[in-house]
Amino acid sequence: NAGVMQNPRHLVRRRGQEARLRCSPMKGHSHVYWYRQLPEEGLKFMVYLQKENIIDESGMPKERFSAEFPKEGPSILRIQQVVRGDSAAYFCASSPTNYGYTFGSGTRLTVV
Amino acid sequence: QQQVKQSPQSLIVQKGGISIINCAYENTAFDYFPWYQQFPGKGPALLIAIRPDVSEKKEGRFTISFNKSAKQFSLHIMDSQPGDSATYFCAASGIKAAGNKLTFGGGTRVLVKP
Repeated sequence: NAGVMQNPRHLVRRRGQEARLRCSPMKGHSHVYWYRQLPEEGLKFMVYLQKENIIDESGMPKERFSAEFPKEGPSILRIQQVVRGDSAAYFCASSPTNYGYTFGSGTRLTVV
Repeated sequence: QQQVKQSPQSLIVQKGGISIINCAYENTAFDYFPWYQQFPGKGPALLIAIRPDVSEKKEGRFTISFNKSAKQFSLHIMDSQPGDSATYFCAASGIKAAGNKLTFGGGTRVLVKP
């Protein structure tokens, strides 16, 4: 049973481009969470999704950021028109219930 | 009210020593307190977790102490080993407090010297 798979591991985007981050949860996990980690800081919650539904997006910036978890396929975190401040590690976690997260290895986004 | 404050920011301990990391929270609705270990370039991995109905939980060399009245909890790493060198994060969550999203402390970078 593979863990939470995130890709790409590293992503470089120029300012103004779009970044698309993918997360495949563990088999049987229907809860997906996205967190952002700035250098030397803790993780900050962004969004919580279940299949086809956004449950809580209170940590997501109102503009340029969106997330989805379709019925088929991975969860996608999309950042439009990236800026330097978006440079961070983005972690996805999945859970079969409300507790007991398993995190992926993250996508490190660098905006140049 | 959602903050979790973690200290110290960094810690150096000799091999065989005890590493102690402290966290304090504000929201009394939190009811789940996990600790995560993160190595460079990796995602956080769950180390040990506690609920407020117990004051202490031990798993191998790792122990969580929980003080509900003080709203504080701590991680003790006994007989610290060089392989324990990592960043440790405390976190808190609770359905009534914040749905089920985790609120993380700022992290403690632990270095165990051989």
